[in-house]
Amino acid sequence: AQTVTQSQPEMSVQEAETVTLSCTYDTSESDYYLFWYKQPPSRQMILVIRQEAYKQQNATENRFSVNFQKAAKSFSLKISDSQLGDAAMYFCACIIQGAQKLVFGQGTRLTINP
Amino acid sequence: GAGVSQTPSNKVTEKGKYVELRCDPISGHTALYWYRQSLGQGPEFLIYFQGTGAADDSGLPNDRFFAVRPEGSVSTLKIQRTERGDSAVYLCASSSGLAGVGNTQYFGPGTRLTVL
Repeated sequence: AQTVTQSQPEMSVQEAETVTLSCTYDTSESDYYLFWYKQPPSRQMILVIRQEAYKQQNATENRFSVNFQKAAKSFSLKISDSQLGDAAMYFCACIIQGAQKLVFGQGTRLTINP
Repeated sequence: GAGVSQTPSNKVTEKGKYVELRCDPISGHTALYWYRQSLGQGPEFLIYFQGTGAADDSGLPNDRFFAVRPEGSVSTLKIQRTERGDSAVYLCASSSGLAGVGNTQYFGPGTRLTVL
């Protein structure tokens, strides 16, 4: 069975600074997909970034990038130039090839200090 | 609509009552998923539909929970004889194809269920 672990319940960063959120996962499969979702107080889960396990190149989306270390089963999210609107819960999730359910971590609450 | 919609936004009920939660997926999305998110936790899978049929209901906690998707679009999650432990946010997601081949799941805003 897959597991996803986020070891940082809370993180804070100064506006305009860079912050990295950690995520590790465990699966015996070699083909899978990894995601970071953002959940603001409105409850809507918003996709931030995704990574295919077969791709060696780290995904980037504007100010968001990942550090994907397949051998270490690590998938951290880096947010550059943090903005007040980035404040939210962030969830790491994994889905294995052929399965249909996302497995989520426990989440990290990110606070942006003005 | 542009995104996944869920109704009601909030539902308060008494222990033992029956509730229905509705999900309207993104138009054209064939796959639909239900998750449950307890306070302070990440979402947990309940059930997945491909078209009209429930392809995987392994996450439903017991037989008080049931979901349907009769026309392959809107889905309803039904909970009988509600218990206080059922209190949570129920999230619905849809995808244009199978998530297991990399299609992204897009989530609705959820229904917060409170059982008194």
